[in-house]
Amino acid sequence: DTGVSQDPRHKITKRGQNVTFRCDPISEHNRLYWYRQTLGQGPEFLTYFQNEAQLEKSRLLSDRFSAERPKGSFSTLEIQRTEQGDSAMYLCASSTGTVNQPQHFGDGTRLSIL
Amino acid sequence: GENVEQHPSTLSVQEGDSAVIKCTYSDSASNYFPWYKQELGKGPQLIIDIRSNVGEKKDQRIAVTLNKTAKHFSLHITETQPEDSAVYFCAASTPIYTNAGKSTFGDGTTLTVKP
Repeated sequence: DTGVSQDPRHKITKRGQNVTFRCDPISEHNRLYWYRQTLGQGPEFLTYFQNEAQLEKSRLLSDRFSAERPKGSFSTLEIQRTEQGDSAMYLCASSTGTVNQPQHFGDGTRLSIL
Repeated sequence: GENVEQHPSTLSVQEGDSAVIKCTYSDSASNYFPWYKQELGKGPQLIIDIRSNVGEKKDQRIAVTLNKTAKHFSLHITETQPEDSAVYFCAASTPIYTNAGKSTFGDGTTLTVKP
């Protein structure tokens, strides 16, 4: 069990640019979640996958955001035409598909928009 | 949707004292309540969890209590140590087969343990 891995750890970009983050979940976990965390707040749910299917998206996820999980393994989160308000920590978590199992978080990607 | 309120936002205790953090939730369908510890630059790490069919759970110096009727749950840390200093988050999760099992988090409590 190598834990949830996220890459990159930090991303600095100019407003208007596109960015993509990657998450590698724990290998036997079929559920994968993306959260966003801003300073002084708890993580906020963005979207989740069961295997390769994206089953729910939060209203926080505007049409500039897209997430994929090809083949039910790693996942990517892309933000197009970044805005200042996108600056945050983007956290990935994974869990098994059984009832009430804990979500295991990665250390996140911190996005800073200049 | 679910709403979780967490208090206090900051808590400072002397080493060896106890610390208590309280959370309330709004959705009676929530049935799983994890607590996470987050250190600077790291993701949240699960420290203890409780399911809705249990009123109390203990793991060494950490305990969690749940009152489903009142919709509140609490984290208790005894014999605090400086390494307990971190931000603690409570969360409420809805049933996995009806609402994705997604977690709604409180806004966190910054715990400082003074040596």
